[in-house]
Amino acid sequence: RKEVEQDPGPFNVPEGATVAFNCTYSNSASQSFFWYRQDCRKEPKLLMSVYSSGNEDGRFTAQLNRASQYISLLIRDSKLSDSATYLCVVNIGGNQFYFGTGTSLTVIP
Amino acid sequence: NAGVTQTPKFRILKIGQSMTLQCTQDMNHNYMYWYRQDPGMGLKLIYYSVGAGITDKGEVPNGYNVSRSTTEDFPLRLELAAPSQTSVYFCASSYLAGGNEQFFGPGTRLTVL
Repeated sequence: RKEVEQDPGPFNVPEGATVAFNCTYSNSASQSFFWYRQDCRKEPKLLMSVYSSGNEDGRFTAQLNRASQYISLLIRDSKLSDSATYLCVVNIGGNQFYFGTGTSLTVIP
Repeated sequence: NAGVTQTPKFRILKIGQSMTLQCTQDMNHNYMYWYRQDPGMGLKLIYYSVGAGITDKGEVPNGYNVSRSTTEDFPLRLELAAPSQTSVYFCASSYLAGGNEQFFGPGTRLTVL
């Protein structure tokens, strides 16, 4: 069983739409959670950390559900520049990080 | 600050050849990581280091070696290249462990033929 699973998409949404991605993790002892963004043929970059109480950064909202072992990312008012692959990342302690395969988003004019 | 730099950007190797992928960071981070990313797969941790002189295996260490003689440098060595090592390799660093942001280098695209 994979440590982290994501729907690979692709998600194709019009500008201005709201889109949500989910990610499930298998290790109940997981400690830290993140969403990274990866543009085509580029390195991953941190989008936001995910906190237990949920957190928001502008148009982006992240939620954590420890009981069901999933995290989510909501993007409101999608922009063309949001087109990228979104990676769910889980840390199970120490320096062991597990990355999901990524969810591809294309925002269409 | 240049952040995390990697060389080379691209490389083609023949089966059985050896090479070293270079990684340097100028942020004075203690923690450094090597990942590989295969098409349609998530990044997988190869090796990591918590400081100069200290390294440890990640999820997929076979076929690779690392060293960490300075805080800045964390080279990854492939001794006998195999087609299964064709991948994109990313080096990353972070200030602290676990819950901290990782900063990634631009990657090295390696093809083994």
